[in-house]
Amino acid sequence: DAGVIQSPRHEVTEMGQEVTLRCKPISGHNSLFWYRQTMMRGLELLIYFNNNVPIDDSGMPEDRFSAKMPNASFSTLKIQPSEPRDSAVYFCASSFGQGKSGYTFGSGTRLTVV
Amino acid sequence: GQQVMQIPQYQHVQEGEDFTTYCNSSTTLSNIQWYKQRPGGHPVFLIQLVKSGEVKKQKRLTFQFGEAKKNSSLHITATQTTDVGTYFCAPGGSARQLTFGSGTQLTVLP
Repeated sequence: DAGVIQSPRHEVTEMGQEVTLRCKPISGHNSLFWYRQTMMRGLELLIYFNNNVPIDDSGMPEDRFSAKMPNASFSTLKIQPSEPRDSAVYFCASSFGQGKSGYTFGSGTRLTVV
Repeated sequence: GQQVMQIPQYQHVQEGEDFTTYCNSSTTLSNIQWYKQRPGGHPVFLIQLVKSGEVKKQKRLTFQFGEAKKNSSLHITATQTTDVGTYFCAPGGSARQLTFGSGTQLTVLP
C-alpha cells in the first residue's frame, strides 16, 4: 500500500484565494482525520469522518473551512477565502476501526498564504 | 478527545545519554498512543498502551502506562542521532478521534 497520499505537498497562495487540499486514505481504513499543525498550536484535529460521514467538525476554525468525503478513497479540505493565519501544515490521517493500530498520516500539505 | 500535559517541551541530550518524556492526565485514560515526528516529517505511530501498569519495549524504547492509567512515559536508552524528533502522546477515549499532546522535541548532540 502506498500509504495515505496527500496533494499538493506545498501550496503558496494569495490571501482571498480558494485552496483545496486532497487526501487519499489507505484502502480499507474507515476513519479519516484532518489535522493542522503550527508551532503555536501544535497538532489540532479539524474534522474526522467515519465511513465517509462527518462525525465531529468542532475543530474546524470557522465557516471558511469545509471538508468533504464523497467516497471511501477521497477527501478534500477547502479554505475559502484563505487568510495568512491559515498558513500551516495540514495532515490527513486514516485508521481502521477504533484505531488500535494507530493512525497513518500522510506527508502533509504545507500551506503558505501571503 | 482528552487533554494531557506532556513534559518536558524540549530536551537536549548528548548521544548515548538516556531520555524520558512524560504524559500526564487529570482523568483516567482508556488507552494512550505514542507517535514520533522527524523534523519536516509526519507523525508515525509507535505503540498503543491499554492495560494498567503495562510496559512495552521496542529495542531501545520503553513505554509505560501508569497503574492509575493517568500517566505514561517513553524512555529511550542510549540515544542515537536517529532518535531526533518530536515525540507525541495521544490519549484515546470513547471517541475515535485522538487529541495529541504538545510533544517533546528531542535533540541529540553527536
